[in-house]
Amino acid sequence: EIVMTQSPATLSVSPGDRATLSCRASQSVSSNLAWYQQRPGQAPRLLIYGASTRATGIPARFSGSGSGTEFIITISSLQSEDFAVYYCQQYNNWPRTFGQGTKVEI
Amino acid sequence: QVQLQESGPGLVKPSETLSLTCAVSGASINSYFWIWIRQPPGKGPEWIGNIFYNGRTKYNPSLQSRVTMSLDPSSNHFSLHLRSVTAADTAVYYCASSTWEDGPFGDWGQGSLVIVSS
Repeated sequence: EIVMTQSPATLSVSPGDRATLSCRASQSVSSNLAWYQQRPGQAPRLLIYGASTRATGIPARFSGSGSGTEFIITISSLQSEDFAVYYCQQYNNWPRTFGQGTKVEI
Repeated sequence: QVQLQESGPGLVKPSETLSLTCAVSGASINSYFWIWIRQPPGKGPEWIGNIFYNGRTKYNPSLQSRVTMSLDPSSNHFSLHLRSVTAADTAVYYCASSTWEDGPFGDWGQGSLVIVSS
């Protein structure tokens, strides 16, 4: 199975800052990579798919890039509602696998 | 947008079968692709499996020997059955949907906490 590794585990930032989160796949997943946001007590929410396409209703401050094994999601100017845990997930191979998450905290 | 709602017992005894149902609204169960995912407390999500609109299934090899998924078009819901549970199966269980077979998980239910304990 493909192992997804996210870094850092925790990112401490301030509102208005730019945040960059990384995700690495143990083998190529092409561009079949999604990012999810999970706020406390809520289900994950799809932010980005195809490595760089924002899902419906996702603000433009979220952007994704990468292909193959290296991926990044950038939040250009952190809002209060963006403090959450972010997961990457590959859907190129079975079984589908998630990273362990990056917590973005104040 | 598809709406999904999980339902089922919140407590299951060890060695018994965990059974959950996901009610779908806003879409027909005969379209889209349907997924179960679980998340143990404090950990990342784990994909359990997919069931396609034609009933074909794809399971996580780590759970394949214990998992069954099914569709019920008459009531527009789909189900998960996980046999011989242990404490390691304690998690929030989510149902989700995808608009294409090899796609991401676009819509999620709110989740159902299942605790395995005697």
